[in-house]
Amino acid sequence: QVQLVESGGGVVQPGTSLRLSCAASGFSFSSYGMHWVRQAPGKGLEWVALMSYDGGNKYYADSVEGRFTISRDTSKDTVYLQMNSLSAEDTAMYYCAKDLRGGRGRGVIPDYWGQGTLVIVSS
Amino acid sequence: QSVLTQPPSASGTPGHRVTISCSGSSSNIGINTVNWYQQLPGTAPKLLTHSNDQRPSGVPDRFSGSKSGTSASLAISGLQSEDEAEYYCAAWDDILSAFVFGTGTKVTVV
Repeated sequence: QVQLVESGGGVVQPGTSLRLSCAASGFSFSSYGMHWVRQAPGKGLEWVALMSYDGGNKYYADSVEGRFTISRDTSKDTVYLQMNSLSAEDTAMYYCAKDLRGGRGRGVIPDYWGQGTLVIVSS
Repeated sequence: QSVLTQPPSASGTPGHRVTISCSGSSSNIGINTVNWYQQLPGTAPKLLTHSNDQRPSGVPDRFSGSKSGTSASLAISGLQSEDEAEYYCAAWDDILSAFVFGTGTKVTVV
């Protein structure tokens, strides 16, 4: 069955960087797009980034554009989220999610989700 | 600020039907398909319906999605206590080139 396990979260100071990882199993990783979605404490879901199955397309929310970078390593079946210049507004649970299809823009559908990794940005 | 608007709350009694609305625009719901997610307290979201009205395997047929113009709806029939959760609509937005979620609706079974 599909399994997504996030890691790399923690408490960091404002202005610093953090890299999240999401290890995938139970499906053909190289055939599907992958998303990152976050949820601030007590708030709603906010989509963060998407990478297509072949890495050829990347999309970002305006709130993270230029600071966050999504990448994937098909040899490790892992997707990453490099987060730079972190601020308190980035404090959230970060979920990775598999796309139902290849992840090329319109028609994307995050279907399976991991349990999340918590990022707290605080001085 | 989400581009998809949902009512903050909805409620119903066991066995009855609850409908949640999701209002968007021509750049998202008006031109792309809609998905609905259920988030039980303390857990990750779960895909309930996709492509407007398709249910993934394992999702009970009590849950049904629909779309009309720039709005969408999720109906929950035969309401059960385990349906108490937060529900989110979502769609791709062509102007933002981003996937957007609705503001979320908390469903309470009274």
